[in-house]
Amino acid sequence: EDQVTQSPEALRLQEGESSSLNCSYTVSGLRGLFWYRQDPGKGPEFLFTLYSAGEEKEKERLKATLTKKESFLHITAPKPEDSATYLCAVQVGGSYIPTFGRGTSLIVHP
Amino acid sequence: SQTIHQWPATLVQPVGSPLSLECTVEGTSNPNLYWYRQAAGRGLQLLFYSVGIGQISSEVPQNLSASRPQDRQFILSSKKLLLSDSGFYLCAREILSGAYNEQFFGPGTRLTVL
Repeated sequence: EDQVTQSPEALRLQEGESSSLNCSYTVSGLRGLFWYRQDPGKGPEFLFTLYSAGEEKEKERLKATLTKKESFLHITAPKPEDSATYLCAVQVGGSYIPTFGRGTSLIVHP
Repeated sequence: SQTIHQWPATLVQPVGSPLSLECTVEGTSNPNLYWYRQAAGRGLQLLFYSVGIGQISSEVPQNLSASRPQDRQFILSSKKLLLSDSGFYLCAREILSGAYNEQFFGPGTRLTVL
């Protein structure tokens, strides 16, 4: 049973078309939730860590938010260079080992 | 610098051949290190992690093994590769950020077993 579920699996946007990616989790005792960006053939690149419900973090066109059951990665006015797979992972208290979702593949068309 | 190096970048091996993938890290001593495998259409699967020299924990039974001969070196090995060992292998290190631990990944090794 997946503890971390990302949706949608794939998303196609036009340049400038804002949208959100979802990461829902069923673990208890959340220690941290992480977002990564992964380009084809490369290792995941760290984006954000969120620790508590209500927390928000921003980086350029990306904004990550966290509730008690899910996190959203909002992409505002995306550009083609934002195309990548976005991974979410959760870390539970008592363990430093994160559990990863399967990712959302984002394609932004010019 | 907390850079992570992985070698080789790509590898094509026949079934039954041995394997050795290397991960070396720079920066802080005694890092926690991890090996993940990423197969097409699947998430990241944790294979091994190490909290110090000679200390290896395995997450899943498999055809692979890991070793940590030096503080900043983590090696993934196999005596005989299977077709199912194909995938993208990622080494990660844990970095303490305030009171929390965050993972950072290396560039990966693409392994194709034929």
